[in-house]
Amino acid sequence: ETGVTQSPTHLIKTRGQQVTLRCSSQSGHNTVSWYQQALGQGPQFIFQYYREEENGRGNFPPRFSGLQFPNYSSELNVNALELDDSALYLCASTSSGGTDTQYFGPGTRLTVL
Amino acid sequence: EDKVVQSPLSLVVHEGDTVTLNCSYEVTNFRSLLWYKQEKKAPTFLFMLTSSGIEKKSGRLSSILDKKELFSILNITATQTGDSAIYLCAVDPVRGAQKLVFGQGTRLTINP
Repeated sequence: ETGVTQSPTHLIKTRGQQVTLRCSSQSGHNTVSWYQQALGQGPQFIFQYYREEENGRGNFPPRFSGLQFPNYSSELNVNALELDDSALYLCASTSSGGTDTQYFGPGTRLTVL
Repeated sequence: EDKVVQSPLSLVVHEGDTVTLNCSYEVTNFRSLLWYKQEKKAPTFLFMLTSSGIEKKSGRLSSILDKKELFSILNITATQTGDSAIYLCAVDPVRGAQKLVFGQGTRLTINP
């Protein structure tokens, strides 16, 4: 158990819809990163939040957005869903602005039909 | 563009065998290399390597980094069926940020 939780576990949406995924970080962890893992691939970095501010972004379009809250929980929002957005979405938390090891949550499996 | 390549992509061995998984990388900056084990969903942390030539060990697993040749290996001795998983290698290319660049993973299957 890493102390990182995500909800929901599974989600099915249709193309064009919007989705919000949630992550609850380990206590005291002020940095959260989100990753997208397509089937058969390694995770790809989406973005990172540190003290409620975006602290770096990977090669993902603006329809992927996020929020981090004062209690260190966070959200990943995806607008105008596309079929290729179907993937496992992982959040990972760490302390010290990301200098320590990241601990991953169990992920949310998103299917876009 | 930062890149991490793992090989082989898939490996099937018998219980008791020893396996070596490979990870090579090309990154603009290098802070550390990490190995994770992914069984169902959440990748679980195995090792973080920052210095060349220093082996890290945990039970039957060990790993070493070569910063000159830009690769790392993960060894598993006396494999067990519980070692069956996807093993992910990742590089942290940005100091103090851990925005990891992952390889594709090696799917390891241990047959009894």
